[in-house]
Amino acid sequence: QVQLVESGGGVVLPGGSLRLSCAASGFTSAIHWVRQAPGKGLEWLAVIWYDGTNEYYADSVKGRFSVSRDNSNNTLNLQMNNLRLEDTAVYYCATSMASAFDSMDVWGEGTTVTVSS
Amino acid sequence: QPVLTQSPSASASLGTSVTLTCTLSSGHSNYAIAWHQQQPGKGPRFLLRLNNAGGQVRGDGIPDRFSGSSSGAERFLTISSLQSDDEADYYCQTWDTGIVVFGGGTRVTVL
Repeated sequence: QVQLVESGGGVVLPGGSLRLSCAASGFTSAIHWVRQAPGKGLEWLAVIWYDGTNEYYADSVKGRFSVSRDNSNNTLNLQMNNLRLEDTAVYYCATSMASAFDSMDVWGEGTTVTVSS
Repeated sequence: QPVLTQSPSASASLGTSVTLTCTLSSGHSNYAIAWHQQQPGKGPRFLLRLNNAGGQVRGDGIPDRFSGSSSGAERFLTISSLQSDDEADYYCQTWDTGIVVFGGGTRVTVL
């Protein structure tokens, strides 16, 4: 089974930027990004096809967040710009093995992003 | 787009069963969903995929104590022989082209 590992979390000032990465141990259909603010539920953010050819975004982050594939190190990335206090969360990557939009059957362990002045 | 509704909390005694409900919004009653478990301090774990006919596929290593069923727009997760480490938040998830939706989650307390 594919394993996913996130990296890139940290502390950033409001208005700043951060790039998260997700490394997959094998081929899959697509990588989703999901976040969880402290004490809150899961929020879907975006998806990118594993080959990087297609992507979709939640309305809440469209225009500020973008996803991409880095072929040099085989990672799927989430670029977060103009960060706000409310973007503080644990960010997970997850995958649907069967097809891009289906049950998320593998999750990473998450990486924490703290937006604070 | 679909919306998923879950009760905020449920409880049951050790060794008994509990059934959680996830309700699909009007016009989406034929959608499949997934159930995920999130234990305190951990990331989510996929439990099972459930279609509108009640067909289910469990994730790797998920015991058959976790079972799904469907009725109309409702999708159920039954946890049998409750154990202490079943105390967790449970989320349902659905999807359509271009979007993924999560329910608000149900916190299960094992008494």
